[in-house]
Formats: sequence, structure tokens, C-alpha cells
Amino acid sequence: QVQLQESGPGLVKPSQTLSLTCTVSGGSISSGSYYWSWIRQPAGKGLEWIGRIYTSGSTNYNPSLKSRVTISVDTSKNQFSLKLSSVTAADTAVYYCARGSVGYSGSYSVYFQHWGQGTLVTVSS
Amino acid sequence: SSELTQDPAVSVALGQTVRITCQGDSLRSYYASWYQQKPGQAPVLVIYGKNNRPSGIPDRFSGSSSGNTASLTITGAQAEDEADYYCNSRDSSGNWVFGGGTKLTVL
Repeated sequence: QVQLQESGPGLVKPSQTLSLTCTVSGGSISSGSYYWSWIRQPAGKGLEWIGRIYTSGSTNYNPSLKSRVTISVDTSKNQFSLKLSSVTAADTAVYYCARGSVGYSGSYSVYFQHWGQGTLVTVSS
Repeated sequence: SSELTQDPAVSVALGQTVRITCQGDSLRSYYASWYQQKPGQAPVLVIYGKNNRPSGIPDRFSGSSSGNTASLTITGAQAEDEADYYCNSRDSSGNWVFGGGTKLTVL
């Protein structure tokens, strides 16, 4: 059973860079056809997809965050990471890592079957 | 703003059937997936693809799609189904997007 676990600082100062790591266990991050993703949720609000990195290393980012986001993978550690630069209070949220899949049964579907427990990141001086 | 639109809140009497909807142009071409989220917990996938349930999800959860609308139906809602529900798909540019969420109250 694949498990994901987020780690990183819980407090980041405004204008600095938020850095989180997701450690994957129960399977190799470099095998299969999966999209290793970051998703966030401000308190009391909905889910926001941040971006993804495919097994091949290709990335896609939410256009609203694209200029500030970098997602990378370290296959030797079975981890992938998120960097979000120039943070403000609006970036305060619970950040989740998740494994995304694309399926086909007449039409395509995307879905996240495995999620980390989430980690709260607060942006404050 | 989300390209997938959900009603903010829906209520259902215990044991009755409820349908939660998700609207978006991309749903004409792509299936939605559905997630249940309870307070303080990570989302849980309940429906994906045409109408697939992951292992452990009760069969009272089902999914359907028509035109630009995807639906999650709970047949015989239980008290433990009270939660926030989110739909997810991709937009016209290939980015992944979530609906704004629907808060389900079981009366």
C-alpha cells in the first residue's frame, strides 16, 4: 500500500520560499505512470491543485501559481518536493502531497487515490 | 476561480438519496472524480472514472455523467456520510482543477 508523508517547516516568513518534501513508501516513485502532485487547502476553503511531476520528470503547474512554483523529484530518496517562492499570508494553508493517476474507460479521468495526511504551513513574520 | 462549479451546501434526511453535482465544460470530455473530506482529515477518493469505487468505499456511492454535469449519488445516506465533497477533473488547458466543494448535511 502506497503511503505519502509531507515534511517541512510549519512557519515561513513573508517573501521567503516555502519548501516541502513528500516521502513515498510502499512503492517506487519512478515506476508506473503516476503524477506526483501537490494540493493545498486554506483554512475553511476548498482544495487547490498546485502542480504535478510525472514519472518521466515533466511538470505542469497551476497557471495562477506557475511563476512561483517548482516541483522536483529525487528518485534516490523516493521523494518529491515543492518550492513556492515569494510567499504571502495568502499562501497559508494545509499542503497535501498526492499520487495522481489518469484512467481511460471511454473517456479519460484523473484522480488522486493516495494522499498524505497534510501539513499546515503558516506564512507570518 | 474554479472551472468546476458545485453547490455550496446540500442536505439529506437520514436514509434518503442525495445527488451532488459538478458542472464544467471539460466534463463533456472527461470524467470527474469525487472526494469525501471530513474535518481535520485528508480527502478520500470515493468515485473515479465512469463509475468506479476504490476498495473499501460502500456501494451506496455512485457516479454518473451527462453533458457538462457530473453527479455523485449517495443512496441511503448515513450519518457518517456528512462531510465536504469535491469533484476533480482537468480543464481545457490540461491543468487539473477541483470544484469549490459541497457541504453535505445529513438530517
